[in-house]
Amino acid sequence: GAGVSQTPSNKVTEKGKYVELRCDPISGHTALYWYRQSLGQGPEFLIYFQGTGAADDSGLPNDRFFAVRPEGSVSTLKIQRTERGDSAVYLCASSLGVADTQYFGPGTRLTVL
Amino acid sequence: QQQVKQSPQSLIVQKGGIPIINCAYENTAFDYFPWYQQFPGKGPALLIAIRPDVSEKKEGRFTISFNKSAKQFSLHIMDSQPGDSATYFCAASGRGGADGLTFGKGTHLIIQP
Repeated sequence: GAGVSQTPSNKVTEKGKYVELRCDPISGHTALYWYRQSLGQGPEFLIYFQGTGAADDSGLPNDRFFAVRPEGSVSTLKIQRTERGDSAVYLCASSLGVADTQYFGPGTRLTVL
Repeated sequence: QQQVKQSPQSLIVQKGGIPIINCAYENTAFDYFPWYQQFPGKGPALLIAIRPDVSEKKEGRFTISFNKSAKQFSLHIMDSQPGDSATYFCAASGRGGADGLTFGKGTHLIIQP
C-alpha cells in the first residue's frame, strides 16, 4: 500500500516568507509526527498529533512554527517569517496508534535563501 | 543537551564483517529503543527495535544488545553486504514509543566489496 507522502519534495523560498509543508499519512494511522533533519544530523522531533489534537508540541523551536491536522489525517506544518537557519529536510512519520512503529515519508527539503 | 550519543560517526567494514554501532542515553524515562536505516534522499526506515525487558533481540542479520544498567545499546550487522551501506540512527522514546523519538547523530556505514 501507499506509504507516507510529503509535498512538495523541494521548496526554495526567500528569507521572511511564509511556507506550508504537507504530509499525507498512511491511511488509518492515527498518530502523526513531524521532525526536522539538518545536514549530517539525526532527525529532531518537532510535534506529534494523536487524531486532530497536538499531543506534544515541545519540539517546536519558536512561535514561527505551527502545525495543524484538522480532520485527523493530512497535516500541514506552517513556518512564518522564514530564516536561513530553517533550511533543513522536514520529515513526517505516521503510526497506526500510539507506541506503534513510526513510518517516515521521504521528506521536504526546505531551502531559505 | 544531547540525550542520545552515537558512535562512531563513520565506519568502513569489509563485506562479510560485523559492523557494531553503539549508543548511550541519559534519560531514564526512555523505554523504547529503535534503530533506523537511511539511504540518501530517503526517509529513515525502521530496522529493529528493543524494549528494556530484554537484553538482546535478533531479526535476520540485525541484532540489538541492550544494557539497562549502563544505559547503552548497540547494533550488530552480521554477514554485512555492500547493500547495507547507509546511515544508521539509534533512537529512544518514552511511554513505550508513544513519544517523539530522540535520535543519535548517525553513523555513516560503508561496506566494501
